[in-house]
Amino acid sequence: DTAVSQTPKYLVTQMGNDKSIKCEQNLGHDTMYWYKQDSKKFLKIMFSYNNKELIINETVPNRFSPKSPDKAHLNLHINSLELGDSAVYFCASSGDAYGYTFGSGTRLTVV
Amino acid sequence: KNEVEQSPQNLTAQEGEFITINCSYSVGISALHWLQQHPGGGIVSLFMLSSGKKKHGRLIATINIQEKHSSLHITASHPRDSAVYICAVPRNNNDMRFGAGTRLTVKP
Repeated sequence: DTAVSQTPKYLVTQMGNDKSIKCEQNLGHDTMYWYKQDSKKFLKIMFSYNNKELIINETVPNRFSPKSPDKAHLNLHINSLELGDSAVYFCASSGDAYGYTFGSGTRLTVV
Repeated sequence: KNEVEQSPQNLTAQEGEFITINCSYSVGISALHWLQQHPGGGIVSLFMLSSGKKKHGRLIATINIQEKHSSLHITASHPRDSAVYICAVPRNNNDMRFGAGTRLTVKP
């Protein structure tokens, strides 16, 4: 049973397309996150949702729009994809103040 | 300057060696995480600690809250320990700040 599952694992798409990455957690956690890992492996938070409410929205282009239909799901929709969006995107969840579980990541390549 | 600094950035060791990775942070925290990312890409949470020391198998993590410093030790290192180790500190309970990671290579 996968605790935090992301789909797809790999995504190759052309510039200008719109794509979505899905994330689901079955841990009963209240908070979910999206992180971006750049080519230098540096992780940076993008969004955080707590019980479907947006808590953190770091400085990311508004082409990125998170959607949380319920507290077990946090999807990431990206409009008008650009070359610089190529990265690995990680979903994560936390239940108490400090316990984190990460998804396996989605490698997005924009060509 | 990054709020979370790790050293070294890269580390190569021979199998069996004792490994130490250091993490210093500048923000006030109540806990710190050590994460492991294997070449395949998945991230695994190794430790979450707020004081003293925790041990899991050959891995030991220590933290000194007053000095804002943590260390991750690996005893009797093995090639399968080769991975990127990331120090992370939560801010405001919902915002995690990450170190740049330490790339460990253990040679047989």
